[in-house]
Amino acid sequence: TQTVSQSDAHVTVFEGDSVELRCNYSYGGSIYLSWYIQHHGRGLQFLLKYYSGNPVVQGVNGFEAEFSKSDSSFHLRKASVHWSDSAVYFCAVSANNNNRIFFGDGTQLVVKP
Amino acid sequence: EAAVTQSPRSKVAVTGGKVTLSCHQTNNHDYMYWYRQDTGHGLRLIHYSYVADSTEKGDIPDGYKASRPSQENFSLILELASLSQTAVYFCASSDRGSSQNTLYFGAGTRLSVL
Repeated sequence: TQTVSQSDAHVTVFEGDSVELRCNYSYGGSIYLSWYIQHHGRGLQFLLKYYSGNPVVQGVNGFEAEFSKSDSSFHLRKASVHWSDSAVYFCAVSANNNNRIFFGDGTQLVVKP
Repeated sequence: EAAVTQSPRSKVAVTGGKVTLSCHQTNNHDYMYWYRQDTGHGLRLIHYSYVADSTEKGDIPDGYKASRPSQENFSLILELASLSQTAVYFCASSDRGSSQNTLYFGAGTRLSVL
């Protein structure tokens, strides 16, 4: 069974700062790794995913994530955050041979003006 | 515009009552899912379906039933609602193949069981 761990429940930064949201997973096989964003009172929206190839993947709105097999990580980054980036971010993992997707508990990002 | 629509958006139910949550998708996706989200936590899979007239148990199926009468529609049924089922419920859809792990979510249904 895959597991996902997001070590930071809350992250607070100022507008214009860079941010990294951490995600670690445990699974021995080939997997998909994804990030989703949830604005308050809304459903989750897909940001980006990795399966193979270039370990740095680009998403919408300037987000990118980097896969590291040695660290079992898939951290999300943004170079300069905007107040509208305030939301909860979920890391997710699924094995490539099934459609079960497991989510972390989420990291709430607060961007102060 | 392709979308996943959930109804109702919120509901108050009494303990022991029957609750049906509905989900309709226009994405032409084969897979549909029901997740529940508790405050401060991630999503947990209740039931899912990969074809009409068939449903599969997820990780927390106890106390829930699901129905997939057509490709577009997927319902979650609580036959005897309990206090512990107070949560926000999300429906999602996804395609097959390499896109199967990209989920498209509805806006959620906030269920309060009193």
